[in-house]
Amino acid sequence: DTEVTQTPKHLVMGMTNKKSLKCEQHMGHRAMYWYKQKAKKPPELMFVYSYEKLSINESVPSRFSPECPNSSLLNLHLHALQPEDSALYLCASSQDRTGAGYTFGSGTRLTVV
Amino acid sequence: KQEVTQIPAALSVPEGENLVLNCSFTDSAIYNLQWFRQDPGKGLTSLLLIQSSQREQTSGRLNASLDKSSGRSTLYIAASQPGDSATYLCALQGGSEKLVFGKGTKLTVNP
Repeated sequence: DTEVTQTPKHLVMGMTNKKSLKCEQHMGHRAMYWYKQKAKKPPELMFVYSYEKLSINESVPSRFSPECPNSSLLNLHLHALQPEDSALYLCASSQDRTGAGYTFGSGTRLTVV
Repeated sequence: KQEVTQIPAALSVPEGENLVLNCSFTDSAIYNLQWFRQDPGKGLTSLLLIQSSQREQTSGRLNASLDKSSGRSTLYIAASQPGDSATYLCALQGGSEKLVFGKGTKLTVNP
């Protein structure tokens, strides 16, 4: 299995909702990531979970909250989002910190109304 | 701070043409460089990965080169096809897990 699986593929949520994005990989990779991509822009790193340690991009608002239940799963909890948070959210994994390359999931298209 | 530049921003070619996409970077201290393809609204598909110690990688009609001393990488696509139409992203991994992306080249191959 050489895939990163993201669910759901599409999500529409109101600004008062709480939702979660899920990401799973079974490649034995030790590092997992969440990236945010706005239209016609490159992806931007939000969080890194590597060797059981979470690293946070300090510019990411607290309404985004990552959770890593085990080494194969990385969830992103969403609460009180704003319309400007609408974007494509990409999960990725890599074998280790120096990266034998990244594998990306197909993304979750999030729309906040 | 690593900066990655991709030229051109957009490229339109007739089917069958060979083409080159360019990527330049400012800091040569990298672990690897990776080329991705992204179709509209979709995730990133890895095309080629070049480790720091390597000079090039090939997969089918694709060939990527890496010259750390000049801070450049190229992606060569031979005999382009309409199905190659997509945005191509160059990304580097340096001293951390973080990938630094260029802004991409949007390729259109016309039948």
